[in-house]
Amino acid sequence: GENVEQHPSTLSVQEGDSAVIKCTYSDSASNYFPWYKQELGKRPQLIIDIRSNVGEKKDQRIAVTLNKTAKHFSLHITETQPEDSAVYFCAASITPPTGYSTLTFGKGTMLLVSP
Amino acid sequence: GAVVSQHPSWVICKSGTSVKIECRSLDFQATTMFWYRQFPKQSLMLMATSNEGSKATYEQGVEKDKFLINHASLTLSTLTVTSAHPEDSSFYICSARGRWLSNYEQYFGPGTRLTVT
Repeated sequence: GENVEQHPSTLSVQEGDSAVIKCTYSDSASNYFPWYKQELGKRPQLIIDIRSNVGEKKDQRIAVTLNKTAKHFSLHITETQPEDSAVYFCAASITPPTGYSTLTFGKGTMLLVSP
Repeated sequence: GAVVSQHPSWVICKSGTSVKIECRSLDFQATTMFWYRQFPKQSLMLMATSNEGSKATYEQGVEKDKFLINHASLTLSTLTVTSAHPEDSSFYICSARGRWLSNYEQYFGPGTRLTVT
């Protein structure tokens, strides 16, 4: 099955700096890569996602890049703010034309943004 | 749109008893619901996938007789932890995918914190 590795496990940055979280996946058939933000005791919130037919996607301060050849994808957060502090999870899934797909999550990265 | 709720948000039960957790899609029909388990400071581990009207598909290592899943309607799935033990204490989160959503996206419920004493 799919295996997703995520690094680093903890990332501390100063407010205004950029943060980068990297993930690798094992199954070359994976075609959907979402990123979730989870605050303590709360539900994971989808913040950005990318499909395998796209190399990069950006939404304001957040961007995701995908390298299918190397089987890795990254989350980039610019101009970090204290409210960006949370645990971030990457995930990968294989979505067949019909039926359903399941998400395989990375182990998470705790991002701490200091004022 | 795409709101998923869970009930209860937290529950404390005694060892040996059973606990039922409900997951509802509030504004869409959830053709597929997923149940995850999350231990403190760990990732989400998929327990099972259920499609409306059919039996759930359990992940390897998850006991189907202990974690009973029923996807009775297009808006409701339930997870029953039977004969709960302290090691079952965890954060249980459901997610759902609906007909009108793409085949890719899942939306998560707020989670249920189960404590077994």
